[in-house]
Amino acid sequence: DQQVKQNSPSLSVQEGRISILNCDYTNSMFDYFLWYKKYPAEGPTFLISISSIKDKNEDGRFTVFLNKSAKHLSLHIVPSQPGDSAVYFCAASSGGGNKLTFGTGTQLKVEL
Amino acid sequence: DVKVTQSSRYLVKRTGEKVFLECVQDMDHENMFWYRQDPGLGLRLIYFSYDVKMKEKGDIPEGYSVSREKKERFSLILESASTNQTSMYLCASSPTWWDSGRAGGGYTFGSGTRLTVV
Repeated sequence: DQQVKQNSPSLSVQEGRISILNCDYTNSMFDYFLWYKKYPAEGPTFLISISSIKDKNEDGRFTVFLNKSAKHLSLHIVPSQPGDSAVYFCAASSGGGNKLTFGTGTQLKVEL
Repeated sequence: DVKVTQSSRYLVKRTGEKVFLECVQDMDHENMFWYRQDPGLGLRLIYFSYDVKMKEKGDIPEGYSVSREKKERFSLILESASTNQTSMYLCASSPTWWDSGRAGGGYTFGSGTRLTVV
């Protein structure tokens, strides 16, 4: 039972354009959401997070939007750069616990 | 620079072997986790530990066990390796939730061990 889903396994965008990565969840107890970025042969690294009391969080080129009623979050990267090419995982937690539930990942390719 | 170190980057083992994957963190974190990453399935939690000698099952614990005798070390054990355990294994550590300030969950991942069971 996949509680966190990323329905697009891959995404290709041109350099300078906006990348939008989507994530859906089913567990209404999730109250904190995160995005991680992973390069090949490296561990995931934290990118940005959002609490369920907010609907938007911004950090430089990265913005995460949360729609609780739809149980949907998205990551916007603008402008996209070739170095953004990686696998992106969304993750969720509930009740202040440290256990994260990860999505299936989206491979982003930013082309010149 | 804080680190989570996994002892091997690549391992090849035979079916039926007992396999040990080691993970060491130098951040004095209470929590440690073992995930596996498979294409189309993302990161799935195998086991985690909130304290020395404590362990809890994750989502896919079958065929695995863990050991945490010291705070900094968390070992994943494949009791009898099978080909369906061929995967990328990722170790992570984090402070307690309140210590992390919920900033990114405080997770730090190792670089992973690519295990192939033949």
